[in-house]
Amino acid sequence: AQSVTQPDIHITVSEGASLELRCNYSYGATPYLFWYVQSPGQGLQLLLKYFSGDTLVQGIKGFEAEFKRSQSSFNLRKPSVHWSDAAEYFCAVGRLNQGGKLIFGQGTELSVKP
Amino acid sequence: GAGVSQSPRYKVAKRGQDVALRCDPISGHVSLFWYQQALGQGPEFLTYFQNEAQLDKSGLPSDRFFAERPEGSVSTLKIQRTQQEDSAVYLCASSTGVSGGSTDTQYFGPGTRLTVL
Repeated sequence: AQSVTQPDIHITVSEGASLELRCNYSYGATPYLFWYVQSPGQGLQLLLKYFSGDTLVQGIKGFEAEFKRSQSSFNLRKPSVHWSDAAEYFCAVGRLNQGGKLIFGQGTELSVKP
Repeated sequence: GAGVSQSPRYKVAKRGQDVALRCDPISGHVSLFWYQQALGQGPEFLTYFQNEAQLDKSGLPSDRFFAERPEGSVSTLKIQRTQQEDSAVYLCASSTGVSGGSTDTQYFGPGTRLTVL
C-alpha cells in the first residue's frame, strides 16, 4: 500500500536560514508527488508537484523539491526562509488511474524565529 | 476567480445528530474530493466524484457517511448519528479532471470544522 512519511513533526529555523523538509514515500511504481502548505484557517495550497522528467522541481514562493528514486524521497527546500513561511507542510503521493486520490503525510509544522 | 467554498465553516453537533456539509467547487471543475483531517494529522481521503458519478468511496469510514453530487457541481457530505470520533476538519477539493485526475492540481476549500459533543 502507498504511504507517506514526514519524519519531522516540528521544525524551527531562523529567518534567512535555509530549510529542508523531509518526505519519504512507499510505492512500487513512479509516484506522483506533491507538496502542499496549510496556513491557519486556510485551505491547502499547492507548492509544487512532480510526475516525470527533471527530478528537480521548482514551485511557488521560492520552494523547490528533488525526487530521488533510490532513496524514495521528495524533500522540500528553500534557500532563505521568510517569517511568512511559518505554516504546516504536507507531502502527498498519488498514482495513475486513481482519479487523483492523494495519500498525505502527517505534516511538518514550520516555525520561523526572528 | 472564486475558489472552493465550504459551508458551514464551523459546526457543533450533539452526539447522535445528523449533519450535512456543503462544498461548492470551482466552476467547471469535473473532479471533486472529500478529505477528513483529524487534529494534528494529514488529510485522509474519503471519496471522489467525477461529475455526478461517485467513482471511489473507499475512504468513507462507515455507512454513517454518505456523499452526493447530484448535478455534478455542488456536493454534500452527510454524516448520520454523529460520534465523537467524527470530530475533524472536513476538506473539499476540486480539479479540472482533464488528465483523468491523477496529475491535476487539487484546489482546496477552507474546510468545515466539525465538533461532536
